[in-house]
Amino acid sequence: ETGVTQSPTHLIKTRGQQVTLRCSSQSGHNTVSWYQQALGQGPQFIFQYYREEENGRGNFPPRFSGLQFPNYSSELNVNALELDDSALYLCASNQGGGTSYEQYFGPGTRLTVT
Amino acid sequence: GESVGLHLPTLSVQEGDNSIINCAYSNSASDYFIWYKQESGKGPQFIIDIRSNMDKRQGQRVTVLLNKTVKHLSLQIAATQPGDSAVYFCAENSGGSNYKLTFGKGTLLTVNP
Repeated sequence: ETGVTQSPTHLIKTRGQQVTLRCSSQSGHNTVSWYQQALGQGPQFIFQYYREEENGRGNFPPRFSGLQFPNYSSELNVNALELDDSALYLCASNQGGGTSYEQYFGPGTRLTVT
Repeated sequence: GESVGLHLPTLSVQEGDNSIINCAYSNSASDYFIWYKQESGKGPQFIIDIRSNMDKRQGQRVTVLLNKTVKHLSLQIAATQPGDSAVYFCAENSGGSNYKLTFGKGTLLTVNP
C-alpha cells in the first residue's frame, strides 16, 4: 500500500449533479495529481496541485476544479456531471519541487453517472 | 500530439518464463518514464522508472530499457509469477517541471501456472 487514501470508494450520481472527491497524500508529499481512468484505458491527467496552487492542467473543461489544503490533502470537484464522466478517479502524490518524480497512486474513487 | 502506445494489448506467458512488454512514445522532449502495474480494482502501482539520460535500469526481477533513437521503452520481467498478472502501463513525463504523466492504453499480462 502507498499511503495515499481516497474517499469515497464508490459513488453514484445523476447527470447534472455535482460531486466532490477527496484525497489524502502520502506523508511527506506536497504534490497531488488527479487522473481520470475510463474503463479499459490508461489514466488521463486532469491537473496537479503543488503547495496549494494549481501546477499544470490537462485537457479537461473548467467544470473540473480542485483544491489543495495546507496539510496537502486535495479535493476534485466536478460540476454539471455528464454520463461520460463515469470513470475511476485516481489521485497520486509525490514530493514535488524537483525533489522526486515518483508518483504514488491511491486506490481510486469509482464514479458512476446515470 | 503527445501519445504513448503499446505494441501488444495482451500477453500470455507460462510461469517461470521471462516477459517483455513494449511501449512506443512520440514526444522526444519527454525526460522521464515510468512503468506501472495495475491489478483489478486497485490504483496503479509504481514498478520502475528511468530518466532520459539512461538506457537501462534494473530492479528486483524487472529491467526497463529505453531506446531514444526509436522512441521505444520496454519492461522485462524475469521468472514471471502468477502474482505478476495485471495490466501494465508505461507513462512519460512530457510536462517538464510541471510534472504531468501521459499514459499508454496498457498491456494485460496473464501468467499461466
